Amino acid sequence: QLQLQESGPALVRPSETLSLTCTVSGASIRSVTSYWGWIRQAPGKGLEWIGSSYYSGSTYYTPSLKSRVIISVDTSKNQFSLNLSSVTAADTAVYSCARGPIYDWNALYYFDNWGPGTLVTVSS
Amino acid sequence: DIQMTQSPSSLSASVGDRVTITCRASQGISNYLAWFQQKPGKAPKSLIHDASKLQSGVPSKFSGSGSGTDFTLTISSLQPEDFATYYCQQYSAYPLTFGGGTRVDIK
Repeated sequence: QLQLQESGPALVRPSETLSLTCTVSGASIRSVTSYWGWIRQAPGKGLEWIGSSYYSGSTYYTPSLKSRVIISVDTSKNQFSLNLSSVTAADTAVYSCARGPIYDWNALYYFDNWGPGTLVTVSS
Repeated sequence: DIQMTQSPSSLSASVGDRVTITCRASQGISNYLAWFQQKPGKAPKSLIHDASKLQSGVPSKFSGSGSGTDFTLTISSLQPEDFATYYCQQYSAYPLTFGGGTRVDIK
């Protein structure tokens, strides 16, 4: 049974880098039929896709965050990570990692399995 | 970017009601649309993908339809456990985008 779990600091200072890790269990992050993504939800707001990575290292980011985001995969640890630099209070949100299954090579993917999410607050 | 617009943003309904939520894409996305249910403090749960395919384990009271730009999620008989916020997501093109959500409350 696939499970994802986010980990990382709950508080980040403004202008610093937010770093989170997602540990995947029950499946290999090397799966050729999976993308691994990060989604966030600001308090009281909707869902915002941040970006995704394939096990090979190919990455895709939402344009509004692209200049500040890096998503990387560590196949030896079955983990993938999010780094978001130069954070401000607007980056305060619940950050979730999720799996995007690839079953139709004509399409991208939705997210079928999610971690519980972790609240990250940006404050001095 | 493909904008996803959900309506209504909230609705009040009674147990047993039939509920329909609409999601409209700003351009055609074929059937590359998913629906999620989110309860307070919990991660979203996948309900439907490819516009109408029920995720494994999801009860058949949930159904989805549509193609192109207009999609609907229907709950045939609302139960207490269905009161939640529902989101759509398009996966036709990057960036992946979600609708703004529809909150379903108890009348």
